[in-house]
Amino acid sequence: SQELEQSPQSLIVQEGKNLTINCTSSKTLYGLYWYKQKYGEGLIFLMMLQKGGEEKSHEKITAKLDEKKQQSSLHITASQPSHAGIYLCGAPPSPGNTGKLIFGQGTTLQVKP
Amino acid sequence: DVKVTQSSRYLVKRTGEKVFLECVQDMDHENMFWYRQDPGLGLRLIYFSYDVKMKEKGDIPEGYSVSREKKERFSLILESASTNQTSMYLCASSRRQYQETQYFGPGTRLLVL
Repeated sequence: SQELEQSPQSLIVQEGKNLTINCTSSKTLYGLYWYKQKYGEGLIFLMMLQKGGEEKSHEKITAKLDEKKQQSSLHITASQPSHAGIYLCGAPPSPGNTGKLIFGQGTTLQVKP
Repeated sequence: DVKVTQSSRYLVKRTGEKVFLECVQDMDHENMFWYRQDPGLGLRLIYFSYDVKMKEKGDIPEGYSVSREKKERFSLILESASTNQTSMYLCASSRRQYQETQYFGPGTRLLVL
């Protein structure tokens, strides 16, 4: 079965620094979702990537899906305390699957003021 | 905006009690999901429903059951709560179409004593 591995598991950065979180799949990705979760709360959808080489940005967060569609990265530029939380990647377990997602274990980000 | 609500944010129950967790979505989504989230394990799918009265087991259905009598409501039932069911429970909903985003509720933190 497909597995998603996130790295690093946790990250502490100084405010203003850039950072990257990776999500690696054991199989070809048929779509990749990034979510953010504040501690003790639900997940907030950030972005979805579908095509190899695709890149999307929202404010200071950029997500990319590599050409081979087995790895995605989430890059935050000039981090702020509001970026702190848990970032999770999710993916459909098979092509054409209508709804189910599997998730990585999450990356916990702390941003020091 | 999609809204997914869960009946309780925090719940404390005793071992052996029957526990009901309710989830309601207001966007007429076909799919609804129940996950549990534990440190280091990410989100694990308990049950999934793709239509009223339809359900499908996820990765960890043991000790749980579900009910979907109306399209907007999906209930998770712990028949006889045990301490290893202490966890964060997250509900989500999505349209049935391929690669539709899942929208999450705020979560219920359950403590079983």
